[in-house]
Amino acid sequence: DAGVTQSPTHLIKTRGQQVTLRCSPKSGHDTVSWYQQALGQGPQFIFQYYEEEERQRGNFPDRFSGHQFPNYSSELNVNALLLGDSALYLCASSLRFSGNTIYFGEGSWLTVV
Amino acid sequence: GQSLEQPSEVTAVEGAIVQINCTYQTSGFYGLSWYQQHDGGAPTFLSYNALDGLEETGRFSSFLSRSDSYGYLLLQELQMKDSASYFCASIGQAGTALIFGKGTTLSVSS
Repeated sequence: DAGVTQSPTHLIKTRGQQVTLRCSPKSGHDTVSWYQQALGQGPQFIFQYYEEEERQRGNFPDRFSGHQFPNYSSELNVNALLLGDSALYLCASSLRFSGNTIYFGEGSWLTVV
Repeated sequence: GQSLEQPSEVTAVEGAIVQINCTYQTSGFYGLSWYQQHDGGAPTFLSYNALDGLEETGRFSSFLSRSDSYGYLLLQELQMKDSASYFCASIGQAGTALIFGKGTTLSVSS
């Protein structure tokens, strides 16, 4: 049983560009959440998707958007990249309403130059 | 504002017991989770407390007191491989980890 998979693992983008990160949840999970983790910090909640809709959102600007597909996989899009967007982006999948079923992927390292 | 406070660093020797505390100030709190993260790796789920009291899973135990807005992670029989960062996180109604602490770096020496 594959866990949470994310792609790409590493990428470099130029300031002002747009990026799309992808996530496949653990088999049987229906909820996907995205996090941004800067070096030396804890993950920061970006948003959560369930039944193809954004259900909760953290304190991130509209440049951050997402999507969930019928197979529960998800994408995170970031527009107009800033140098400060350089971070590890983590996807977590879970069963809705089950706080003890959260599994994280290995993350996508984004560097903005 | 909403926050979870935990010590930044803890050091211990192999075989010892260490406790990492977490105090929280959050809204919509449903439970407290703990995660382990090795350098360059993904956070790994360790435990979840939805109710007050102690939860035990092998060498790791976690405790929650809602009245004190406080919890802790207890690691026993420390091993070198336990050297990692440990995060507490508040869990919301939908089961989502909404807010993380800044993490505690545990260094285990021989």
